[in-house]
Amino acid sequence: AQSVTQLGSHVSVSEGALVLLRCNYSSSVPPYLFWYVQYPNQGLQLLLKYTTGATLVKGINGFEAEFKKSETSFHLTKPSAHMSDAAEYFCAVTFSTGFQKLVFGTGTRLLVSP
Amino acid sequence: NAGVMQNPRHLVRRRGQEARLRCSPMKGHSHVYWYRQLPEEGLKFMVYLQKENIIDESGMPKERFSAEFPKEGPSILRIQQVVRGDSAAYFCASSPIPGQGSNTGELFFGEGSRLTVL
Repeated sequence: AQSVTQLGSHVSVSEGALVLLRCNYSSSVPPYLFWYVQYPNQGLQLLLKYTTGATLVKGINGFEAEFKKSETSFHLTKPSAHMSDAAEYFCAVTFSTGFQKLVFGTGTRLLVSP
Repeated sequence: NAGVMQNPRHLVRRRGQEARLRCSPMKGHSHVYWYRQLPEEGLKFMVYLQKENIIDESGMPKERFSAEFPKEGPSILRIQQVVRGDSAAYFCASSPIPGQGSNTGELFFGEGSRLTVL
């Protein structure tokens, strides 16, 4: 069975600082990995995804993530935080496109201070 | 708007009443998923449906909860005799048919229905 662990329910950074949100997964087969962002009182929007191919994937709003099989990780990064990045971020895993019951982590709330 | 449409966005019910949440998938999508988000928690899978068929309901509570996706019309998540613990945001997502070329593995989410039980 798949599972996702997001370390840190809250992460605080200053505007302009590096953003690092951690995600580790557990999967018995090659995973498909996703990062979604949720702004207050809104739905989830896909930031980026890894299915196959290049292990460094770039997403919207300057975010990127690297799939590291040896570390079972898919950490999300952004070189320079912006105030508009303040939101809840969810890592999710599934293992194929045959059945897409995405399993989500508990989320990390990103706080950005001026 | 061709996205996933959920209604109502907000619903208030008293204990013991029924709640019905509706979801229309994106155009061209035939598969619907329901997730529940409790305060300060992540999203928990509830049920996965295609038209007239429940594929996986392993996340549905055994009692009071049901879901359907009829041949015509939206998918409906029904909660009977609501209790305070049912207060949550309920999200619907849709996808193309798994395994098709247009399917890249992601789910497309609606903006959620927020249920408050008094």
